[in-house]
Order: sequence, then structure tokens, then C-alpha cells
Amino acid sequence: GENVEQHPSTLSVQEGDSAVIKCTYSDSASNYFPWYKQELGKRPQLIIDIRSNVGEKKDQRIAVTLNKTAKHFSLHITETQPEDSAVYFCAAKSNYQLIWGAGTKLIIKP
Amino acid sequence: DGGITQSPKYLFRKEGQNVTLSCEQNLNHDAMYWYRQDPGQGLRLIYYSQIVNDFQKGDIAEGYSVSREKKESFPLTVTSAQKNPTAFYLCASSPAEYGNNEQFFGPGTRLTVL
Repeated sequence: GENVEQHPSTLSVQEGDSAVIKCTYSDSASNYFPWYKQELGKRPQLIIDIRSNVGEKKDQRIAVTLNKTAKHFSLHITETQPEDSAVYFCAAKSNYQLIWGAGTKLIIKP
Repeated sequence: DGGITQSPKYLFRKEGQNVTLSCEQNLNHDAMYWYRQDPGQGLRLIYYSQIVNDFQKGDIAEGYSVSREKKESFPLTVTSAQKNPTAFYLCASSPAEYGNNEQFFGPGTRLTVL
């Protein structure tokens, strides 16, 4: 079955700098890759997603890149702000399920 | 906030008791899911349902049961067979499981075993 690995588990960046979180997946048939943001004690919320027929997608300060050959995808956040502090989860859709990464805690230092 | 609700927000259970967590959605979504989240961990799938009166086990179904009698509702029962049920439980729904669709999450239920 599908397996999703996410790195790093914790990422601390200076406010205004960029943050990059990476995920790898094992099932070459996976075709949908969302990223969710979860603030402490709250529900996960979708921030960006990408389908397997697209290599890159951007939404303001957030971008996602997908390399199907290498089976990895990455979340890029530019000009980080304090409100970006949260746990970020990647996922890959395999068969009828989303398989989730373990999460990355992003800390924005003032 | 996505039209998916969970109740209660906090639930305390004594050992040996069964408890039921409610999940309701008014989004007309076909698929619904239950996840368990432990502190500092990712989401693990307990059960999912693609259609009314049908559901499948996820990765950690042991000690849990579900029903899907109505499209809007997907309650989860945590039975006494679940030995370590203290966790944050999240319900989600999506328009169609076969497509590449966003999952919308409820606010969660935090279950604590006393």
C-alpha cells in the first residue's frame, strides 16, 4: 500500500524567510496530493493541492511542486509570517483513501 | 465552517464503557471518514464510508464500530475493546471518494479515558 514520509518533523525559520517541507510517496498510481494546515487544537484545513498532471501550483505565498518520476512533492512558503506557525500535513490519494504524512511543526521566529 | 459538525467537543469515558461520537454534515457529500490523531502524530484512518449503508475498515478499526444509515450522519462508537482510546477524533467528508476531492473536517472530539 501507499506510504507517505514527511520531513522535517520540526522546522524553525526566521520571520520573512522561506520554509520548505518535503514529502515522498511510494505508490506511483497516486494522483492527488493535498497539503493541510492544522493550528493547535483545531481541525486540519486545506491550503493547497496538486494533481498528478501538474508539476507546480502557486497561491500567493504558498506553492507546491510535484516530481512524479522521483515520487516526491514539496510545500514552499515564502515571506513567512507569525500566523504561518502551525503543523502542516501532506497526503497522497491512493485507491479511495488519503494516506497522511506524520506532519511538520513550523515555528516562525520573530 | 464547512457544514460538518461533531459532538461532543470533549468526552470523558470510564474504562469498560462504550461511547458514541456524533458526526453530521449538510454538504450533501457521499463519502465520510473517521480519523484518530494522537499528540504530535498524523492522522490515522479508522473507518470510511462511500455511500449509505456501506463502510470499510481503515488502518486501525479494531475496537471501533460505525454505521451509515443516513447520508448526513456517520457516528463512531468507541467500544470497551479499544484499549487506548484517549485521542483526538476527527470526522471528515468529501464529495466523491473516487475523484480527487478535498476532505472537509469537523472540529473534532477530544476523548479522555478516566
